[in-house]
This record gives sequence, C-alpha cells and structure tokens, in this order.
Amino acid sequence: DIVLTQSPGTLSLSPGERATLSCRASQSVSSSYFAWYQQKPGQAPRLLIYGASSRATGIPDRFSGSGSGTDFTLTISRLEPEDFAVYYCQQYGRSLYTFGQGTKLEIK
Amino acid sequence: LQLQESGPGLVKASETLSLTCTVSGGSIRSSDFYWGWIRQPPGKGLEWIGSIHYSGTTNYNPSLRSRVTVSADTSMTQFSLMLSSVTAADTAVYYCARDSRVRYSYYMDVWGKGTTVTVSS
Repeated sequence: DIVLTQSPGTLSLSPGERATLSCRASQSVSSSYFAWYQQKPGQAPRLLIYGASSRATGIPDRFSGSGSGTDFTLTISRLEPEDFAVYYCQQYGRSLYTFGQGTKLEIK
Repeated sequence: LQLQESGPGLVKASETLSLTCTVSGGSIRSSDFYWGWIRQPPGKGLEWIGSIHYSGTTNYNPSLRSRVTVSADTSMTQFSLMLSSVTAADTAVYYCARDSRVRYSYYMDVWGKGTTVTVSS
C-alpha cells in the first residue's frame, strides 16, 4: 500500500498568515489520483483539491495545490478564521484509496 | 445531490454491521461514479472501506476485504455496507460518499453527514 505522511502534525498560525501543508507518499503517485480534504469538528470531510491542483466547486482561490510524484503541497494564501480545521491528503493507487494521518491547523 | 447514512448505532461484537446510504436528488446509475464507504474511529483519521459501481464492480480495502460487502440496491437510489465479525476496533463514524472517477481524476466530492456506530461487548 502507498503510505501518505503529512507534516507538520499540527500547524499554529494566525489569521491572515500563509499556511503550507505537506504530504509525502511512500511511492510515486499519479497526480490525477491525488486530492486534499478539509474536515471541521463534527462534520464530514469536504473536497478542496483534486488532480493535485484543481480546486473543487465553490472552493476559494486562496486554496491551492501543487506537487507531483511523491511530494504534494496544499497552500492557503491568507488564512481566514473558517480555515482552521484538519486537512487530509488522499491518493488512489492499485485499486486502493489511502489517506494521510491529517494536519491540524490551529489558531495561534 | 445529497447522501444520508442510516442503520443501527449499536452493534454487538462478533455480529454484522449493516448500513445503508440513501441518495437523494440523483441516482447511482452513472458510469462516471462509484459509491463508497469511509470510516473514522474516534479521534483518528480516515479509512476507505470500499466502493461500488452501479454495474456491480467493487473495490475493497485489502485490510477489510474478508469482512466487507458493498452492494447496490436495484432502485439505484441506495447502496449498502455490511461488515462482519465486528470488534471494538470497528467503532467509528461511517461516511458514505460519491467516488468520482471522471476525466482520469479520482476523488470523493459528495459526502453524507456520517453515522456513529459503536461496537459493544
């Protein structure tokens, strides 16, 4: 199985700052099969980015995704109060979806 | 399109967990979409369980394959999860989701709100 490792585990920032979240795969991943999700407490995950860099419908342009191969990044250009949440990366490979363990983005 | 999970919130250890996902505002009958189950143990991350296409094709997580069955109702508005021989480790919030496989991109873009299942001893 392809293991996704997210870093950092917790990121403490202030509103208005820039957030950079990392996801590293244990093997090369197809960018087409790579996505990012946001999850707030008590809610279902929400798709943010698919195909490594395409924003899902309704996602603000302050969210951007980049990367290829084994290294992927989610960037939030200017944090809004509603962006503080847990973020998961996900990949599909060999007929199997796997998720990273999550990065918690908290208010500093 | 909305998805809603339903089923018992409490299941006894060694028994079978059964959940249904009802799709409203659409149908599961589409070549572009699979329909999946994902779970999240308390305080932990997300784990994909399996997905089904309306044609009957299924994908399962190898770690759960021996205990999982995902099926689609002939009404094409529901799909279900059965997980046998449950233990406390199967206690989790269970989500259903649309598993989109379009234009060579795979992702889950519509999610149910989730239902909590507790396995009791």
